Amino acid sequence: SQQGEEDPQALSIQEGENATMNCSYKTSINNLQWYRQNSGRGLVHLILIRSNEREKHSGRLRVTLDTSKKSSSLLITASRAADTASYFCATDDYNQGGKLIFGQGTELSVKP
Amino acid sequence: GAGVSQSPRYKVTKRGQDVTLRCDPISSHATLYWYQQALGQGPEFLTYFNYEAQPDKSGLPSDRFSAERPEGSISTLTIQRTEQRDSAMYRCASRDIAGDTQYFGPGTRLTVL
Repeated sequence: SQQGEEDPQALSIQEGENATMNCSYKTSINNLQWYRQNSGRGLVHLILIRSNEREKHSGRLRVTLDTSKKSSSLLITASRAADTASYFCATDDYNQGGKLIFGQGTELSVKP
Repeated sequence: GAGVSQSPRYKVTKRGQDVTLRCDPISSHATLYWYQQALGQGPEFLTYFNYEAQPDKSGLPSDRFSAERPEGSISTLTIQRTEQRDSAMYRCASRDIAGDTQYFGPGTRLTVL
């Protein structure tokens, strides 16, 4: 069973626009991570935000975390065609050995 | 090694056959995880190792699934008497024992005919 739900399931935008993806989860966490999966390729770690953090930036990525609402969002600014991929959030609870519980993913399509 | 590697990358087998998948983690990483990913879904946890110990195998779907890491480095995942529902991408990840980030291998795409 999966922990989180991601919204939207699919998102199609034009190059240059911003893309926002949301993730909700159910249990307490130590941190939340976002991963990208290109078609047919592996999972690439994008960014990690700890439970005591509210916002984090990395390049064109901005992640927010609201532990009271058990939700997170990933914003990709100035999107590029190369950002086309599936994006997954994953929660990590050290009490469970650090295993990741993934959401179902958002499929992002950026049209040139 | 520089990253996590998995072999084979693709495996096609007939129902009822046994298959063994291999994961070679980043050499300094003590913790290794196995995940199963169905098409269109996020990965789901199967089991993990700290060195050679296997503290949690709660995600293994049935007793046909087993995993080993006898020397605390390379790990294998074995599926006995494969069924069509076992068709999926099997992903391995490793993590430094003091770190948070899991680094994933390219996965093994298993198809059971």
